[in-house]
Amino acid sequence: AQSVTQLGSHVSVSEGALVLLRCNYSSSVPPYLFWYVQYPNQGLQLLLKYTSAATLVKGINGFEAEFKKSETSFHLTKPSAHMSDAAEYFCAVRPSGGGADGLTFGKGTHLIIQP
Amino acid sequence: NAGVTQTPKFQVLKTGQSMTLQCAQDMNHNSMYWYRQDPGMGLRLIYYSASEGTTDKGEVPNGYNVSRLNKREFSLRLESAAPSQTSVYFCASGRQINEKLFFGSGTQLSVL
Repeated sequence: AQSVTQLGSHVSVSEGALVLLRCNYSSSVPPYLFWYVQYPNQGLQLLLKYTSAATLVKGINGFEAEFKKSETSFHLTKPSAHMSDAAEYFCAVRPSGGGADGLTFGKGTHLIIQP
Repeated sequence: NAGVTQTPKFQVLKTGQSMTLQCAQDMNHNSMYWYRQDPGMGLRLIYYSASEGTTDKGEVPNGYNVSRLNKREFSLRLESAAPSQTSVYFCASGRQINEKLFFGSGTQLSVL
């Protein structure tokens, strides 16, 4: 079964600094990978997704992620953090082979932006 | 553009009470899902429905039942609520297997 591991339950960066949120996946075949963001008291919104078309994926709000098969990683980055980026971020995986059994989520990383 | 609508937004139950969480989507999606979110645990899949008329267990189905009433609606029922079911519940829907899921705004449930 596929799974994802998010390193760091909390990440704190200064406004304007680089944001790096780590995600490693475990899957026997290259899966589909997703990053979602959750703002306080809201549902989850898709930031970006990887479905094998390109290894560097650009998402909304200036975020991007790079799929690295050799490292089984799908880390999320943003060059310059903004106060509005403060939220919970979830990495998720689903098998590329099919099935409708939803996404498997990581435990989340809380991003804190210091002024 | 309603998307995925969940009701209620908040609910407090006593141990042993029953209730149904409602979810409806207006995007003509085939697949619908119920997740629960607990601190430090991420989201865990309770039940899902790949299409109208079918339902399947997810990672944490014990204590829950679901009904896929029609293509739009997917309800989650707690027959006898327990404090361990205190959580935030999210409904989601999706069109195809490799596409994103759309989430509702959640139901915060407390079981005393």
